[in-house]
Amino acid sequence: GIQVEQSPPDLILQEGANSTLRCNFSDSVNNLQWFHQNPWGQLINLFYIPSGTKQNGRLSATTVATERYSLLYISSSQTTDSGVYFCAVEDDKIIFGKGTRLHILP
Amino acid sequence: GAVVSQHPSRVICKSGTSVKIECRSLDFQATTMFWYRQFPKQSLMLMATSNEGSKATYEQGVEKDKFLINHASLTLSTLTVTSAHPEDSSFYICSASGTGDFQPQHFGDGTRLSIL
Repeated sequence: GIQVEQSPPDLILQEGANSTLRCNFSDSVNNLQWFHQNPWGQLINLFYIPSGTKQNGRLSATTVATERYSLLYISSSQTTDSGVYFCAVEDDKIIFGKGTRLHILP
Repeated sequence: GAVVSQHPSRVICKSGTSVKIECRSLDFQATTMFWYRQFPKQSLMLMATSNEGSKATYEQGVEKDKFLINHASLTLSTLTVTSAHPEDSSFYICSASGTGDFQPQHFGDGTRLSIL
């Protein structure tokens, strides 16, 4: 099956810093989504981005489907950005990466 | 739009109890819903694909007799953990997407199940 790898696994940053999270996938996919899982476990849908670039406030994402990767950019990090960021790809089912655990220090 | 409601959000019960978790798509119809399990500090693992009007498709290693899935309508899927034991304690999340190609997944808020 499709393999989804996220990097880095852990990231600690000072408030105000920028960060880039990466998601590599091993085969062509129909969909790709980025999620933020908050401390209560809720998955917040950040981007639905099978290809191209999207921006939403301080967050943006780019997926290069032909090269099988996606990037999530977080600018001017805030402590509320802390949590785990997952990418998930969809072929005939949805496969999650292991996530990037982001900790923003005040 | 595209809201998925999952209930209950938290369950604490004794070993041997059966627990039912509901997943509803509130403002769209979902022919397919997915059930996931998440252990602490790990990723979400797909347990099964719930198909409206037919049997669920279970992933390898998931006991279908332990985790009963019913998808009786286009807006409701249920997961029943039968005769739950402490090792079944976990965070369970459902997701659904609308009909048509290339629809994003929308997730419920999850159910934290603790078996004493």
